Amino acid sequence: SAVISQKPSRDICQRGTSLTIQCQVDSQVTMMFWYRQQPGQSLTLIATANQGSEATYESGFVIDKFPISRPNLTFSTLTVSNMSPEDSSIYLCSGDGGRGEQYFGPGTRLTVT
Amino acid sequence: AQSVSQHNHHVILSEAASLELGCNYSYGGTVNLFWYVQYPGQHLQLLLKYFSGDPLVKGIKGFEAEFIKSKFSFNLRKPSVQWSDTAEYFCAVSPSGGYQKVTFGTGTKLQVIP
Repeated sequence: SAVISQKPSRDICQRGTSLTIQCQVDSQVTMMFWYRQQPGQSLTLIATANQGSEATYESGFVIDKFPISRPNLTFSTLTVSNMSPEDSSIYLCSGDGGRGEQYFGPGTRLTVT
Repeated sequence: AQSVSQHNHHVILSEAASLELGCNYSYGGTVNLFWYVQYPGQHLQLLLKYFSGDPLVKGIKGFEAEFIKSKFSFNLRKPSVQWSDTAEYFCAVSPSGGYQKVTFGTGTKLQVIP
């Protein structure tokens, strides 16, 4: 298994600003994933991040709004750009454990005012 | 694309009661199936998984799940719940073979009353 940490754990941001969330894995993983989890709802996949290539975004999510970096096999960042209150959510990163199994970080709770 | 349905959004049980949480998926091919749990204040963690073989799989903390292919179901069970089982439970599915996107259900909040 892998242990995943995220920073920051929570933040309160003003609309129009950007926040970068960091995700660190304690071992190398091929794929990392970014999810959004809104209260009372399921996890929604934002994008899949492979090292050395551009992230693959799901329908409804675009690179300009959620740029992602994946500089190596243990680290990734997600930026939430030009934030609005609708971006308030919990953002989760996970690492691929093989065959669909994933290891999740503790999440970043974002509130946009 | 696959989808997952969890019918129970909020379940309240007394300690020692038996638990069964429903999960149904839709997908035309073979799948990998998962149950994840999120305890209050903690991150999501894997409870159990099914890839192939024996359709009855056992996970941590006395949980088990049964894959019934004909019903497209993967229900989670525990014969006797404890207060510490209070958590949110998510069913998830991904098509088998290579990397495939994982789809999560909407989750079931379980509250166990001492």
